Amino acid sequence: DAMVIQNPRYQVTQFGKPVTLSCSQTLNHNVMYWYQQKSSQAPKLLFHYYDKDFNNEADTPDNFQSRRPNTSFCFLDIRSPGLGDAAMYLCATSRDSWAYEQYFGPGTRLTVT
Amino acid sequence: DAKTTQPTSMDCAEGRAANLPCNHSTISGNEYVYWYRQIHSQGPQYIIHGLKNNETNEMASLIITEDRKSSTLILPHATLRDTAVYYCIVRVEGNAGNMLTFGGGTRLMVKP
Repeated sequence: DAMVIQNPRYQVTQFGKPVTLSCSQTLNHNVMYWYQQKSSQAPKLLFHYYDKDFNNEADTPDNFQSRRPNTSFCFLDIRSPGLGDAAMYLCATSRDSWAYEQYFGPGTRLTVT
Repeated sequence: DAKTTQPTSMDCAEGRAANLPCNHSTISGNEYVYWYRQIHSQGPQYIIHGLKNNETNEMASLIITEDRKSSTLILPHATLRDTAVYYCIVRVEGNAGNMLTFGGGTRLMVKP
């Protein structure tokens, strides 16, 4: 029944060591999003894909990149994680740009040591 | 998208109605009011949305004032599982990319 799946749920990486978080969806939705949520804060949008079109938020650091090889999968790459990148990373989908509902995955909690 | 103001936290007794207010005094005519909630260690979950008419679904009711400058989310019979952070968001329906801008939210604690 899982619709938006994120693996792993917990990820530990070392300072400066590249890390990739993955998200998959069974909803066949056109739009996929990545949010960052730091402790006790609200989720903040990093970027989104509409189909294969990538849209970066203006204040998303260059250290964060994303790939969407097909409709079902989307990856978040952090090239050189810093201690400040420790957060929950949430993946979400929506049917299209006009849909009112986003479906969120359970998130991946990233720890940087 | 218009900014929203919500109380930081609220308590509610189990079985009673939880009324969560939201101020959005700068809302534009084409902006909808959305509510999402986030239970601890889970991703946000859509609850309900509306433009100017009151809305009800299986989860909650949304009451929007006539001037649309504020709204109230009502959970009619709160349970312990409704303990969560509730986010009120206003945005234009169908804006490019369907972005959600989350504010501070209200931390609702349902107590036995």
